[in-house]
Amino acid sequence: GAVVSQHPSWVICKSGTSVKIECRSLDFQATTMFWYRQFPKQSLMLMATSNEGSKATYEQGVEKDKFLINHASLTLSTLTVTSAHPEDSSFYICSARVPNEGYEQYFGPGTRLTVT
Amino acid sequence: AQKITQTQPGMFVQEKEAVTLDCTYDTSDQSYGLFWYKQPSSGEMIFLIYQGSYDEQNATEGRYSLNFQKARKSANLVISASQLGDSAMYFCAMRISGSARQLTFGSGTQLTVLP
Repeated sequence: GAVVSQHPSWVICKSGTSVKIECRSLDFQATTMFWYRQFPKQSLMLMATSNEGSKATYEQGVEKDKFLINHASLTLSTLTVTSAHPEDSSFYICSARVPNEGYEQYFGPGTRLTVT
Repeated sequence: AQKITQTQPGMFVQEKEAVTLDCTYDTSDQSYGLFWYKQPSSGEMIFLIYQGSYDEQNATEGRYSLNFQKARKSANLVISASQLGDSAMYFCAMRISGSARQLTFGSGTQLTVLP
């Protein structure tokens, strides 16, 4: 199956700093990628849909100025958490679909963010 | 709007026995897909099984089968011959046919397989 990678797998940053998380489709081109957030022992909540070459579509309640998404190429989407606060500590997971190929959505391994 | 409900926060099963994880859904769309994912403690999301709304037969993948009851809007996951490695969080998810095709997840069921 298709492979999606994320980098870094975990990151610790200080409150007030920004951190960038990368999501890459390794063996296919993804025009659309999705970013999810998962708090401990909770479900995955969709944050935004990342579209190659255009602006991301954010879910209601997600601050677009705080969670900057850039999908600059067909294999890379980045999520930047700006001015991070401890409440942003979470598990961030991206996913992508192989265009025109079935139903399966491929998930990255996730990035655990801790803001101190 | 679509909604997925998993009413079992935690389940226990004896090794080698079968277990059913419940999932109900709500959507007004006629065309949709239902998924089950396994999430071990490492955090990765592992795809298990898929059922399309127009599929007449229940989906099966090895030890996993999906009991799809469309009229009841339920899509329960059955795991046969449970193994210790099956201990994980299990999520039911739905995707409606649309331009973005993002997934909506249920709250999850933590399955523990006992030796």
